[in-house]
Amino acid sequence: GQNIDQPTEMTATEGAIVQINCTYQTSGFNGLFWYQQHAGEAPTFLSYNVLDGLEEKGRFSSFLSRSKGYSYLLLKELQMKDSASYLCAPRGDSNYQLIWGAGTKLIIKP
Amino acid sequence: EAEVAQSPRYKITEKSQAVAFWCDPISGHATLYWYRQILGQGPELLVQFQDESVVDDSQLPKDRFSAERLKGVDSTLKIQPAELGDSAMYLCASRFRDSPLHFGNGTRLTVT
Repeated sequence: GQNIDQPTEMTATEGAIVQINCTYQTSGFNGLFWYQQHAGEAPTFLSYNVLDGLEEKGRFSSFLSRSKGYSYLLLKELQMKDSASYLCAPRGDSNYQLIWGAGTKLIIKP
Repeated sequence: EAEVAQSPRYKITEKSQAVAFWCDPISGHATLYWYRQILGQGPELLVQFQDESVVDDSQLPKDRFSAERLKGVDSTLKIQPAELGDSAMYLCASRFRDSPLHFGNGTRLTVT
């Protein structure tokens, strides 16, 4: 079957670094997306990994290991506005279907 | 930056009534999705369109839900009759070829 596993909730301090892990099992694999979703709002695209390794984009970085079925999102220099849910979504087949996890709710404290 | 437009933003309806949501994707985006998201969960795909054709509606409760995209541009999702369990956020998303999905602001449905 297909499964996504992320921590339900994490807490971090403003200015710190936090790593949100995601493990997945899919039928086929064609890349993995990370989305940010503030409460009551729509998800917004953060990053996309299709090959193993680290992709850096400003304060956010995303890592992928296809052999381990594992990805993480790294957030540096945390700001209060980073309080949101972070959704890991691998693409399982060529029809571009994303498999969505329940997301990790990140709480930033001053 | 171009956006996916959805309306209404909020909808309150009584159970057994009909309700409809509208979505206008980013211009040129041939692929359109309708998702349902319950609080605390990830988005659940209801239907995917490629132009005017349905690509995947395997998770759409077809006894009460219908979706159309007649001219391959904007789309309507309908629920008739609405049930209490339909209360959720309904999200529309579109994409161009292999680009990431772009989501609209969603319609928050409350069924009383």
